[in-house]
Amino acid sequence: NAGVTQTPKFRILKIGQSMTLQCTQDMNHNYMYWYRQDPGMGLKLIYYSVGAGITDKGEVPNGYNVSRSTTEDFPLRLELAAPSQTSVYFCASSLDKWAQETQYFGPGTRLLVL
Amino acid sequence: AQKVTQAQTEISVVEKEDVTLDCVYETRDTTYYLFWYKQPPSGELVFLIRRNSFDEQNEISGRYSWNFQKSTSSFNFTITASQVVDSAVYFCALSEGLYNQGGKLIFGQGTELSVKP
Repeated sequence: NAGVTQTPKFRILKIGQSMTLQCTQDMNHNYMYWYRQDPGMGLKLIYYSVGAGITDKGEVPNGYNVSRSTTEDFPLRLELAAPSQTSVYFCASSLDKWAQETQYFGPGTRLLVL
Repeated sequence: AQKVTQAQTEISVVEKEDVTLDCVYETRDTTYYLFWYKQPPSGELVFLIRRNSFDEQNEISGRYSWNFQKSTSSFNFTITASQVVDSAVYFCALSEGLYNQGGKLIFGQGTELSVKP
């Protein structure tokens, strides 16, 4: 079991460029999440998905898009990169929707927008 | 409104000292869950513990212990006889409601613990 995997580990983007952050989980979890972590701060929820074909906005969705075509994959798309999107991005998954479910995190993607 | 506060931004201790990381939360729900995660220098987030609002028993796991007090809305984490490998950022998080659409986690700002040899 690899758990939650993310690619790439690190990326530098120029302002206005686009990219997709990949996230895959092999635990057959229904729920998946994208968070961003800014320096000295906790994680903030960008988007989440309750299953294939269903996504919803979190606390900070502006500038991002997501899709979920399969249970395993939950890519995060940045269309027009801005310096404010410099952050570390974490993907997570949980078995179900209940509040007590533990979320398991991937290793993170460090993104620098210059 | 829901909120998690970790007032200690950074803590530095010498190996073998005991250290307590504070976590204070705010919620209007009577059913909620509290979590602690560890983020070592390598960057990943490692789940440590989950506690529900109906269980105020303290928990001990090796050198780690957690003290949950609803009266003060606190869920503090103590490391006994700290070791260099404990150096990390520790996050406290809250998940509200019996049925939490999306299972959203609200994180505190994190406490960076540095254990020196």
